[in-house]
Amino acid sequence: EAQVTQNPRYLITVTGKKLTVTCSQNMNHEYMSWYRQDPGLGLRQIYYSMNVEVTDKGDVPEGYKVSRKEKRNFPLILESPSPNQTSLYFCASSYRRGTYGYTFGSGTRLTVV
Amino acid sequence: AQKVTQAQTEISVVEKEDVTLDCVYETRDTTYYLFWYKQPPSGELVFLIRRNSFDEQNEISGRYSWNFQKSTSSFNFTITASQVVDSAVYFCALSGRDDKIIFGKGTRLHILP
Repeated sequence: EAQVTQNPRYLITVTGKKLTVTCSQNMNHEYMSWYRQDPGLGLRQIYYSMNVEVTDKGDVPEGYKVSRKEKRNFPLILESPSPNQTSLYFCASSYRRGTYGYTFGSGTRLTVV
Repeated sequence: AQKVTQAQTEISVVEKEDVTLDCVYETRDTTYYLFWYKQPPSGELVFLIRRNSFDEQNEISGRYSWNFQKSTSSFNFTITASQVVDSAVYFCALSGRDDKIIFGKGTRLHILP
């Protein structure tokens, strides 16, 4: 089944404790992206990757890191999480950026206390 | 700059009623793509439809239909004979020449039994 797999689904952590949210897709998509969803703000792009070893900032990249060492994986790293990063996070992939729409992962609800 | 406006933040209708979700977009590009996504209470984002700017034909898929009108820069979504399972947040999105997908802030739809 074609899908984007995110883990974990839920995570509660403390301020400053590094964490990684994993994302993997099995569709051989070149384009991958991370979004965060907050009430009243909709979906905002954090980082995206056009292909292996090619990443770029989205609209709200501060406090996040990403890497794309393999085509299928695109982890999101929070080096020192803060409470304002409490949010619902989505990983997405696409055959090509923008044109074909995204396949989204199931989401990761992160709470930073 | 590109923009997607979903003016209806929340709508409630009684089951079996028809309901239309409005989407107005702004872009200077001549080639662009429009999308609708559904986010049910379980939280995942589900792709519903993609439409390119050269195809103004309306589309019908079961109880769902989409009305694309370039003259008014609108891409409205109608659910006919609504059901409780249609309760969700619905996002309209736009992708233009820069291939970046911009999402509206979403419309929360409540279908009351």
